[in-house]
Amino acid sequence: EDQVTQSPEALRLQEGESSSLNCSYTVSGLRGLFWYRQDPGKGPEFLFTLYSAGEEKEKERLKATLTKKESFLHITAPKPEDSATYLCAVYADSWGKLQFGAGTQVVVTP
Amino acid sequence: DVKVTQSSRYLVKRTGEKVFLECVQDMDHENMFWYRQDPGLGLRLIYFSYDVKMKEKGDIPEGYSVSREKKERFSLILESASTNQTSMYLCASSSGTGVYGYTFGSGTRLTVV
Repeated sequence: EDQVTQSPEALRLQEGESSSLNCSYTVSGLRGLFWYRQDPGKGPEFLFTLYSAGEEKEKERLKATLTKKESFLHITAPKPEDSATYLCAVYADSWGKLQFGAGTQVVVTP
Repeated sequence: DVKVTQSSRYLVKRTGEKVFLECVQDMDHENMFWYRQDPGLGLRLIYFSYDVKMKEKGDIPEGYSVSREKKERFSLILESASTNQTSMYLCASSSGTGVYGYTFGSGTRLTVV
């Protein structure tokens, strides 16, 4: 069965303190890995798609990387507005369904 | 700006009521999905649809049904609401192959009392 595991469950950072979130997956035939950001009480918002090992994507203070078994979301010099839950999802089957991890809740304090 | 619109942000319903959650997308997407999200459990797939009038059960379909009469609209129905269906409900849509991921609605926070 396809599985997606995110760690840590929660992360508390000081403003400017860089860190990384992990998303490990066990799927057969990965066709895409997605990162979303979710603010409290809102729907997830798309951040990145990664399709093959070695691929990297960047957006402002966020950088996503992909290996054959896991993905990392690096947050460089975070600001309080980066506080959110970050969700990882993989696309493996033919119906277009995504399998989501449980998320990492990030809190950045001034 | 492309959108997935959920009809209500907050709903309070009584136990036993029939509840309709509506979702409309303007992207001409083939696939539409209903998830519920609970603390510690993440996103769980209830039902999905890959075409008009087509539906497939997800991981937790019990107590729910769906309707997709038009391509742009996907409705989730709670036949007889129960307190354990109190949750955040998220609708999403994607293009046929799904390779570009989902676009989500803003969610409906449903409380069943």
